[in-house]
Amino acid sequence: DVKVTQSSRYLVKRTGEKVFLECVQDMDHENMFWYRQDPGLGLRLIYFSYDVKMKEKGDIPEGYSVSREKKERFSLILESASTNQTSMYLCASSPQQLGGNTEAFFGQGTRLTVV
Amino acid sequence: AQKITQTQPGMFVQEKEAVTLDCTYDTSDQSYGLFWYKQPSSGEMIFLIYQGSYDEQNATEGRYSLNFQKARKSANLVISASQLGDSAMYFCAMRELNTGFQKLVFGTGTRLLVSP
Repeated sequence: DVKVTQSSRYLVKRTGEKVFLECVQDMDHENMFWYRQDPGLGLRLIYFSYDVKMKEKGDIPEGYSVSREKKERFSLILESASTNQTSMYLCASSPQQLGGNTEAFFGQGTRLTVV
Repeated sequence: AQKITQTQPGMFVQEKEAVTLDCTYDTSDQSYGLFWYKQPSSGEMIFLIYQGSYDEQNATEGRYSLNFQKARKSANLVISASQLGDSAMYFCAMRELNTGFQKLVFGTGTRLLVSP
């Protein structure tokens, strides 16, 4: 059974704290993604990675950084958490291939509240 | 730049009726994939159906079908014989296969409510 696991389901952090959201996949996928989901805005891509140590900015990278030291693990870092980063964060992974169905598999999500 | 547009924030349908959820996309890539996901209130993202840009036939998966009109750049999801369990958020997504390192971009979603 394929699996993407996010380290926490719920998280409460204080403004200014450094926050780490961890994501692990067991499918040997090359691609990994971090999204935030807000009502009315859908899923917005923060960062993605197509290989170990490789990363690309998504549509809303400001205030975030990422780390991918191993193929199975992709971390999202909030350098100094702010209240406007309160959101649901979703991690996903997918294989990297040129054709066919390359559906992404999602973690269960982390609901982060910054107070 | 790749973009997905879902213009229906919410849709209502009665049980056993069919419903169409709209999705239009923008891309300059000739090779791409289109996806639909369902997100029930539990929050999990469930893959429903996939359509490749070079697929000649519309994709179907059980009660789900994708009405793919390439010239119009639309990829509408059709759910036949709606069930109460179909009540959820539905997201359309696209991956360009030749550019952008295959990043996956989503629309804003449509909330579907199925009434008895």
